[in-house]
Amino acid sequence: DTEVTQTPKHLVMGMTNKKSLKCEQHMGHRAMYWYKQKAKKPPELMFVYSYEKLSINESVPSRFSPECPNSSLLNLHLHALQPEDSALYLCASSQDPRTGSYGYTFGSGTRLTVV
Amino acid sequence: QKEVEQDPGPLSVPEGAIVSLNCTYSNSAFQYFMWYRQYSRKGPELLMYTYSSGNKEDGRFTAQVDKSSKYISLFIRDSQPSDSATYLCAMSGTFGGGSEKLVFGKGTKLTVNP
Repeated sequence: DTEVTQTPKHLVMGMTNKKSLKCEQHMGHRAMYWYKQKAKKPPELMFVYSYEKLSINESVPSRFSPECPNSSLLNLHLHALQPEDSALYLCASSQDPRTGSYGYTFGSGTRLTVV
Repeated sequence: QKEVEQDPGPLSVPEGAIVSLNCTYSNSAFQYFMWYRQYSRKGPELLMYTYSSGNKEDGRFTAQVDKSSKYISLFIRDSQPSDSATYLCAMSGTFGGGSEKLVFGKGTKLTVNP
């Protein structure tokens, strides 16, 4: 299995809703990442988990809350989002967080619309 | 100055042309260099990965890294309409805390016309 699987593929939520994005990989990768991508822009790093511990938070607002229950799963909990948070949310993984060896594998993303 | 600079294009070429895409960077901490291809509304797909100066070839794709000039390139030979996509350069290094950070260029939108 050489994939990163993200669910759901599409999500529409109101500004008062609570929802979660899920990411799963079974490649034995020990680093997992959340990226946010707006239209016609490159992905921007949000969070890095290294060996299931949060190692980088790129000053992301607290309405985004990451969680790494185990080495294969990564969640992003969403609460009280704003319309400007609408974007493609990408999950990625890499084999070794210390070396970045072999590149990063990305999922297809969750397209989030906040109404 | 942004950490990674990439001309966003757009770039339009005829089928069969050789395409050259480039990025420059400013931070010497970057050690690993990648090129991703992203089709519309999809996640980025890793095309090429390298960590040393020099050339790396994979089929019609050649990645070139010049660490002394902080410059990387991707060449696509015999370009095909199916190569039409946005190409993102990306680079990673260890920044504080011993963890990796992957930084992307803006991406270049390429169209290959039949």
